[in-house]
Amino acid sequence: QVQLVESGGGVVQPGGSLRLSCAASGFTFSSYGMHWVRQAPGKGLEWVAFIRNDGGNKFYADSVKGRFSISRDNSKNTLYLQMNSLTAEDTAVYYCVKEGTDFDYWGQGTLVTVSS
Amino acid sequence: QAGLTQPPSVSKGLRQTATLTCTGNSNNVGNQGVAWLQQHQGHPPKLLSYRNNNRPSGISERLSASRSGNTASLTITGLQPEDEADYYCSAWDSSLSAWVFGGGTKLTVL
Repeated sequence: QVQLVESGGGVVQPGGSLRLSCAASGFTFSSYGMHWVRQAPGKGLEWVAFIRNDGGNKFYADSVKGRFSISRDNSKNTLYLQMNSLTAEDTAVYYCVKEGTDFDYWGQGTLVTVSS
Repeated sequence: QAGLTQPPSVSKGLRQTATLTCTGNSNNVGNQGVAWLQQHQGHPPKLLSYRNNNRPSGISERLSASRSGNTASLTITGLQPEDEADYYCSAWDSSLSAWVFGGGTKLTVL
């Protein structure tokens, strides 16, 4: 069965950096595009970034463009999100999501807290 | 980035029918596939419908999705206590080159 396991979340100071990882299993990772979607505490879902199956096309939300970078290693079945220049507004649970038929499988999420 | 518009809350009685709406424009809902997701408190979202009106395997037939112009709808018949959750719509926006979500609708089953 499809499994997506995020890691790398934690507490970071404003202006700091963090790299999230998502280990995928149960499907042919290299055949599917992948998203990062986040949810601030008590708020709705916000799409963050997408990467095509071969890493060739990447798209970002305006709120993270120039600060966040999505990447993947198909040999390791792993998705990444490098987050720089973090602010309090980036505090959220970050979900790794498979793009098969739209957002078809979600991980459990990893919490990122930006606070001094 | 402008999102899709959903009513913040809908309340219906047990065994009644609820219709949740999602309004966008011709760059997203009007000309792109719409997905609907359900999220129970403390859990990740779950896909209910994709590309306007397709149900993934295992999703109840009590749920159906549709689209008319720039508004998408999710209809849930025979409401059950387990249908009480937050519901989100999403679509690709061709002008923004980004996916957009609605703000979510909290469905309460009375």
